[in-house]
Amino acid sequence: QQPVQSPQAVILREGEDAVINCSSSKALYSVHWYRQKHGEAPVFLMILLKGGEQKGHEKISASFNEKKQQSSLYLTASQLSYSGTYFCGTAVQGGSEKLVFGKGTKLTVNP
Amino acid sequence: NAGVTQTPKFQVLKTGQSMTLQCAQDMNHNSMYWYRQDPGMGLRLIYYSASEGTTDKGEVPNGYNVSRLNKREFSLRLESAAPSQTSVYFCASKFTPGVDTQYFGPGTRLTVL
Repeated sequence: QQPVQSPQAVILREGEDAVINCSSSKALYSVHWYRQKHGEAPVFLMILLKGGEQKGHEKISASFNEKKQQSSLYLTASQLSYSGTYFCGTAVQGGSEKLVFGKGTKLTVNP
Repeated sequence: NAGVTQTPKFQVLKTGQSMTLQCAQDMNHNSMYWYRQDPGMGLRLIYYSASEGTTDKGEVPNGYNVSRLNKREFSLRLESAAPSQTSVYFCASKFTPGVDTQYFGPGTRLTVL
């Protein structure tokens, strides 16, 4: 089942903060975050695993609440380069090959 | 390393025509994927291959077939294209089974008239 992302879109001024949320109705094993700029391929940001392990960019901050099946991506002191659409992908099993992606959150950072 | 490459970049088909989208990776990855992306829908998995010689259906497999030709290459075939298959198609790959980073190709923009 497709995870739900919120908000659908957000507009910031450079230097402002944003939080993007990803919720699932199923128990999750891992949450994966990707960013996609217009006309380009999605690019990996971070993986959060059940049990607290994280893999990804040092400058990206995220959390994973296993009890609530929710993950949040924290974008602080936003830069123009943060603009794009952010997707979360979820896996329900550790050995699962498949990710189910949310519909995305469009982030626009203005000068 | 070129990473994940896809051909063609753009394609226009008429309803009923067939075509094959090609994907190749040079990262020695085991798993490969085909997604489609439609406006407002996110990425939806069509088919995947966990290893050479195996393929499995994803969320939206109808109207598509795949071939894992070898460890490097994974092709997607549309036998009889329909306007509903107008989309951007992304190929992706990852190294290990289970939880790992997926690397995406640049995409193929397909229009079916």
